[in-house]
Amino acid sequence: QQPVQSPQAVILREGEDAVINCSSSKALYSVHWYRQKHGEAPVFLMILLKGGEQKGHEKISASFNEKKQQSSLYLTASQLSYSGTYFCGTEVETGGFKTIFGAGTRLFVKA
Amino acid sequence: EAQVTQNPRYLITVTGKKLTVTCSQNMNHEYMSWYRQDPGLGLRQIYYSMNVEVTDKGDVPEGYKVSRKEKRNFPLILESPSPNQTSLYFCASSLFANTEAFFGQGTRLTVV
Repeated sequence: QQPVQSPQAVILREGEDAVINCSSSKALYSVHWYRQKHGEAPVFLMILLKGGEQKGHEKISASFNEKKQQSSLYLTASQLSYSGTYFCGTEVETGGFKTIFGAGTRLFVKA
Repeated sequence: EAQVTQNPRYLITVTGKKLTVTCSQNMNHEYMSWYRQDPGLGLRQIYYSMNVEVTDKGDVPEGYKVSRKEKRNFPLILESPSPNQTSLYFCASSLFANTEAFFGQGTRLTVV
């Protein structure tokens, strides 16, 4: 039931782009994205609700394809500050208001 | 300052000794939840609460209890802790379900 995130880890040079995918075996109502830096609490990036919308947040954006039950997070022109672990959290349509997170994608941006 | 406050930040205890981790938010949020984080497993939801006196099980509720008697507080209770509950715990709150969640700073619990 846990959504599958890919890749598990990625190393980028500053300025490069990355895509992180989150895929579920169940129909989704919403997808949340968070970033967590080492030793800190997760920080909210964005939430996408059923409807296939795409959202943007500075150079970070995300899409939600409800038919494919997946979401993708796009990081463009990466900065050193983007380093951290990215988690997607999903709420399934029949799961009440329970949130299930993926195992995370470690992203490291080097100069 | 808007925040979610957890206490304690670190706790070492012995098997079977009841403990409570407190969580308080000052944003008048309705939705609160508890997560545990273990290496390689991400965040797993333990319990959540939609509002005062309304709680429900998350993905891994076994061995935990919660209560929501006031809107701002959502304590996590371990009646008889066991070593497999050694973990990093986060409390989070949001205005409603499916809105931006704010996390506390975490409680690192070790059960020996």
